[in-house]
Amino acid sequence: GAGVSQSPRYKVAKRGQDVALRCDPISGHVSLFWYQQALGQGPEFLTYFQNEAQLDKSGLPSDRFFAERPEGSVSTLKIQRTQQEDSAVYLCASSLGGQGRVVAKNIQYFGAGTRLSVL
Amino acid sequence: DQQVKQNSPSLSVQEGRISILNCDYTNSMFDYFLWYKKYPAEGPTFLISISSIKDKNEDGRFTVFLNKSAKHLSLHIVPSQPGDSAVYFCAATGNQFYFGTGTSLTVIP
Repeated sequence: GAGVSQSPRYKVAKRGQDVALRCDPISGHVSLFWYQQALGQGPEFLTYFQNEAQLDKSGLPSDRFFAERPEGSVSTLKIQRTQQEDSAVYLCASSLGGQGRVVAKNIQYFGAGTRLSVL
Repeated sequence: DQQVKQNSPSLSVQEGRISILNCDYTNSMFDYFLWYKKYPAEGPTFLISISSIKDKNEDGRFTVFLNKSAKHLSLHIVPSQPGDSAVYFCAATGNQFYFGTGTSLTVIP
């Protein structure tokens, strides 16, 4: 499709389980972002890739969170030993250009998100 | 620490009237501002943006106003339509995007 695709749409995990969330960005988009959106909050930045390089991971809340984009296209966000506080919607976004001063080409296009519930 | 704030969690407006959504920010280094619209079970979609060198940007029924001295921006929707009912997020950017907590707009037919 033409948009950002995320899978699965919903994931229920038992506490302590590992999960992997997938993002297929818009074809040709250089930049890819992951966000965490808790209930009633706005999206909060987790990490950013420019092609295959992870340039910023300052938003990852703990070392249980790991993201990769090995071929500069599809990205996976992995959460190890999930905790209840990890329950949130995880949003992926892609943009045509790189980071830095944002211009029109750097507008981010979002996927529908993966809703993770940790029981 | 929330750098972008939307203090009104919800807003109801009659169809045909003006909707005004407000956003405040704290970081004077932000140089680009955006509004996103979000329907349930969908990701946010880009609506309109404004550079810090401007104070107004208009696109059809949507106008964004920026007051840099007050660190305040607003989104005006005129006339409001029932299809505008959604959650609206403002975002500001320096090195990364910072989102507000959103305002849920309901346009009453």
